[in-house]
Amino acid sequence: KAGVTQTPRYLIKTRGQQVTLSCSPISGHRSVSWYQQTPGQGLQFLFEYFSETQRNKGNFPGRFSGRQFSNSRSEMNVSTLELGDSALYLCASSPWGLITGNEQFFGPGTRLTVL
Amino acid sequence: QQQVKQSPQSLIVQKGGISIINCAYENTAFDYFPWYQQFPGKGPALLIAIRPDVSEKKEGRFTISFNKSAKQFSLHIMDSQPGDSATYFCAATQGGGSSNTGKLIFGQGTTLQVKP
Repeated sequence: KAGVTQTPRYLIKTRGQQVTLSCSPISGHRSVSWYQQTPGQGLQFLFEYFSETQRNKGNFPGRFSGRQFSNSRSEMNVSTLELGDSALYLCASSPWGLITGNEQFFGPGTRLTVL
Repeated sequence: QQQVKQSPQSLIVQKGGISIINCAYENTAFDYFPWYQQFPGKGPALLIAIRPDVSEKKEGRFTISFNKSAKQFSLHIMDSQPGDSATYFCAATQGGGSSNTGKLIFGQGTTLQVKP
């Protein structure tokens, strides 16, 4: 079974631009969560989607948004990029999500650099 | 109350030794405690996980010890190998019905180096 895939793997943007990251979950998984990983703040939860609905959200500004499609693929968008948005963005999928205790499987991440 | 505190930040162990990483939490509603291993350039991979109804879980060389009353849990890596050199994260989450549902709260990570 193929793992979680994320595209692109690397991205360089400038301040003020917007960016869209994509995540394809493991086949059959309906829950997709997004995390931001930085050296200073560690791994922080952004949001979780299940059946095209945002089920939970972390403490990030509204510039961070996401969506999920009917095939469970998910996208994350960051508008008006700031230098502090430079991070590794990780996507994780699970069959039903942590709400039922299912483990999450992480993708390799998208490394975003904001100049 | 949502934090998970992890220590040490870094750890150096000789090959064959025991690596021990500790985590502490405050929220007694947490009911799932996984450990993740992350190599450079890769996403975190689930190593082993435990629920509060058991005090210990072992999978191969990896053991989680869980102390519910102290609100602490730890990862023990027996017979540590150079290939175990990675960053390890503890995490916690809780089941349905609260604002914490569906999100993992991670510790800050421990960089483990196993010397040959």
